[in-house]
Amino acid sequence: EADIYQTPRYLVIGTGKKITLECSQTMGHDKMYWYQQDPGMELHLIHYSYGVNSTEKGDLSSESTVSRIRTEHFPLTLESARPSHTSQYLCASSGPSGKKYGELFFGEGSRLTVL
Amino acid sequence: KNQVEQSPQSLIILEGKNCTLQCNYTVSPFSNLRWYKQDTGRGPVSLTIMTFSENTKSNGRYTATLDADTKQSSLHITASQLSDSASYICVVSDRGSTLGRLYFGRGTQLTVWP
Repeated sequence: EADIYQTPRYLVIGTGKKITLECSQTMGHDKMYWYQQDPGMELHLIHYSYGVNSTEKGDLSSESTVSRIRTEHFPLTLESARPSHTSQYLCASSGPSGKKYGELFFGEGSRLTVL
Repeated sequence: KNQVEQSPQSLIILEGKNCTLQCNYTVSPFSNLRWYKQDTGRGPVSLTIMTFSENTKSNGRYTATLDADTKQSSLHITASQLSDSASYICVVSDRGSTLGRLYFGRGTQLTVWP
């Protein structure tokens, strides 16, 4: 079992509200990611971080922002939610393993619905 | 354009039967190919990771194959169980960086009936 946790699992909010999706991992991984996934579609990378105070935007344009103040914590924030933000958000992490590639561990996801 | 295509899009089989899921990719350069299982409403869980030099890898009843020449991979599930019902996602990583960029397929939705 991977030690990466997301809260809330489900969230229904009204348009214009500010929301923060929490993601924490206890594996000491330096790399963390946020993906967006719609039904029947592939995962799209929206943000990633290679370590503390390092954040980058991913392939899919997103109005969300992230921060990485602590290694274990990588929250995602939407300042003003809109119905177009309705989606499943998946947090993931990977760490140094001596290999060229690192296995990706995913959280359980946060299902966001904006009315 | 780097892409990962999976087939079939969905599949229904009876419990106890075997099945094979396909993944074709155009990602270049190639580093590794991963298969993930994603239960409904949950996060993906890794099944196998294969590099260029590996052409088969097993994880219990799951066996993945890789043909790097034809850029094809398959995931074979033996003696299916109800708990195998899930989406199976093929992911390919390139060698563009030390991390490797990941390209995701849309998944094959497998349903196992009793």
